[in-house]
Amino acid sequence: QVQLQESGPGLVKPSQTLSLTCTVSGGSVSSGSYYWNWIRQPAGKRLEWIGRIYTRGSTNYDPSLKSRVSISLDTSKNQFSLRLSSVTAADTAVYYCASMKGYFDDWGQGTLVTVSS
Amino acid sequence: EIVLTQSPATLSLSPGERATLSCRASQSINSYLAWYQQKPGQAPRLLIYDASNRATGIPARFSGSGSGTDFTLTISSLEPEDFAVYYCQQRSNWPPGITFGPGTKVDIK
Repeated sequence: QVQLQESGPGLVKPSQTLSLTCTVSGGSVSSGSYYWNWIRQPAGKRLEWIGRIYTRGSTNYDPSLKSRVSISLDTSKNQFSLRLSSVTAADTAVYYCASMKGYFDDWGQGTLVTVSS
Repeated sequence: EIVLTQSPATLSLSPGERATLSCRASQSINSYLAWYQQKPGQAPRLLIYDASNRATGIPARFSGSGSGTDFTLTISSLEPEDFAVYYCQQRSNWPPGITFGPGTKVDIK
């Protein structure tokens, strides 16, 4: 079991880039066993998978967000990060990071990001 | 994209009763389905994976079944801590992707 903690700005202006970091403890982002994921949940709505990165750096993104999303690894800090560009109010959500072997085994507590001027 | 639908949207039951939740996929996903429980203000928790396997530490009152397009989560006897929202989630190789259902809220009658 790993522990995950999201961090980053809680308020982002429209058209700007949302940037979040997930710090992993109790495991290594370099471990070959895991995918590292970002998932979001708008208020009162279903969970939405954003994308994932594997330990060797390969990525997969949800097709609806692919043109705006980038996920990266920082093995020296045992972190992985999310960048979502050109945000609008529709990107307002609680953002979770999660580890995945086959399914989402461990989750961060989530961080609310509001897009507003 | 594979779409998941869940029914019912809300299930009103009393402690001790049996809960049966349904999840349907728009095309076959074999057994690549998981169930999660989410309580207000908390992250989801993995309950069931590969349609019928309980995750570590999950009580035996939770069980999953199904394959292909139709899946069921059963809670044999509801405990007070089981009142929550339940989501199903699929991972498919083709088309590639991960999607969640809209959720079923189990609330106290």
